[in-house]
Amino acid sequence: AQKVTQAQTEISVVEKEDVTLDCVYETRDTTYYLFWYKQPPSGELVFLIRRNSFDEQNEISGRYSWNFQKSTSSFNFTITASQVVDSAVYFCALSEPGDYKLSFGAGTTVTVRA
Amino acid sequence: SAVISQKPSRDICQRGTSLTIQCQVDSQVTMMFWYRQQPGQSLTLIATANQGSEATYESGFVIDKFPISRPNLTFSTLTVSNMSPEDSSIYLCSVEEGDRGPGEQYFGPGTRLTVT
Repeated sequence: AQKVTQAQTEISVVEKEDVTLDCVYETRDTTYYLFWYKQPPSGELVFLIRRNSFDEQNEISGRYSWNFQKSTSSFNFTITASQVVDSAVYFCALSEPGDYKLSFGAGTTVTVRA
Repeated sequence: SAVISQKPSRDICQRGTSLTIQCQVDSQVTMMFWYRQQPGQSLTLIATANQGSEATYESGFVIDKFPISRPNLTFSTLTVSNMSPEDSSIYLCSVEEGDRGPGEQYFGPGTRLTVT
């Protein structure tokens, strides 16, 4: 069974603050993929990142960074120096090879105030 | 990544009617997916649609309620049949880009359905 937990329902920050979104997952497989998606108010889902279970290197892309820790089954996402345009719902998702399905967490709503 | 369009972008329908949602991709893709996002909720997979075969439905979704067509590698439709207010949701199609490995999915803009 797959399960993705995003314990934070809503986070509100002031512009330029850093914000970290937590994602904890459950899977019995040793091979799996983790994702983050952004859903701005327009509603379209924007792909942010995919990581496989064998690559635990942290990744940075501009103001975004991801911390993958298999020991704690977590794949956390940090936005540095947040901006108003970062306001969105962020979803963490899990997929297993051969399955191709995405199991989404409940999402975290991030509001960045000017 | 593939460019995905959906029609209609939104609709308001009366209960008991049916709506067919179209999903068009600008490149050939093997796997297409249909998701539902109820208001304020996360995404739930309805079915996987592969060209040339019957769609595979997830638990809780049935073909009579959500018939799907996949006539070619760039197009799919999802019909929401005999609608009730509980069907009010955003319906999204997605495609899996195989050359990037399993599971990397890109989504269309969604169809916002309101059933009155």
